[in-house]
Amino acid sequence: QQPVQSPQAVILREGEDAVINCSSSKALYSVHWYRQKHGEAPVFLMILLKGGEQMRHEKISASFNEKKQQSSLYLTASQLSYSGTYFCVTTDSWGKLQFGAGTQVVVTP
Amino acid sequence: GAGVSQSPSNKVTEKGKDVELRCDPISGHTALYWYRQSLGQGLEFLIYFQGNSAPDKSGLPSDRFSAERTGGSVSTLTIQRTQQEDSAVYLCASSSRYGYTFGSGTRLTVV
Repeated sequence: QQPVQSPQAVILREGEDAVINCSSSKALYSVHWYRQKHGEAPVFLMILLKGGEQMRHEKISASFNEKKQQSSLYLTASQLSYSGTYFCVTTDSWGKLQFGAGTQVVVTP
Repeated sequence: GAGVSQSPSNKVTEKGKDVELRCDPISGHTALYWYRQSLGQGLEFLIYFQGNSAPDKSGLPSDRFSAERTGGSVSTLTIQRTQQEDSAVYLCASSSRYGYTFGSGTRLTVV
């Protein structure tokens, strides 16, 4: 089952914060976050494994609550370069990837 | 190689023709995925290879689609009798235990 992301889109001014949520109806082994810019392939940001560990990539951080089968991506002090579509990707114990539908992020000056 | 290599980068084909898309994963990566992405859409899972196990073909949209992975390395996605709805960017990704890397994709246009 495809993980569910929210919101579908968010518009930020440079320097503002945003949260993107991802939830799954299935037990998760790990959660990945990717960012895709227009016309480019998705780029891996971070992976979160069981244990609720938080990870960081520049000023982007994420958390993973395996009990709630949820992950959140936090964009802090957003920069223009943060614009793109963010995908939550979940894996089961087999390792199969399931992509969420994506959250479009637009950061304006 | 340093990254996942896909070829061709662009392919225009006539409706009804067969096409082959190639993916050369990162050396040593045991898992390989094929996805496709239509304009403005998310990624649609097609097929997943993991080591020597039987591939997960659950995402292939029809029997016109097939894929193989030879020697646990290079993979070829074949689309027979292409249709206009097959037009999309076909992305390949490979992974080790941690981290997945995508190729730049093959943009397929069926005219």
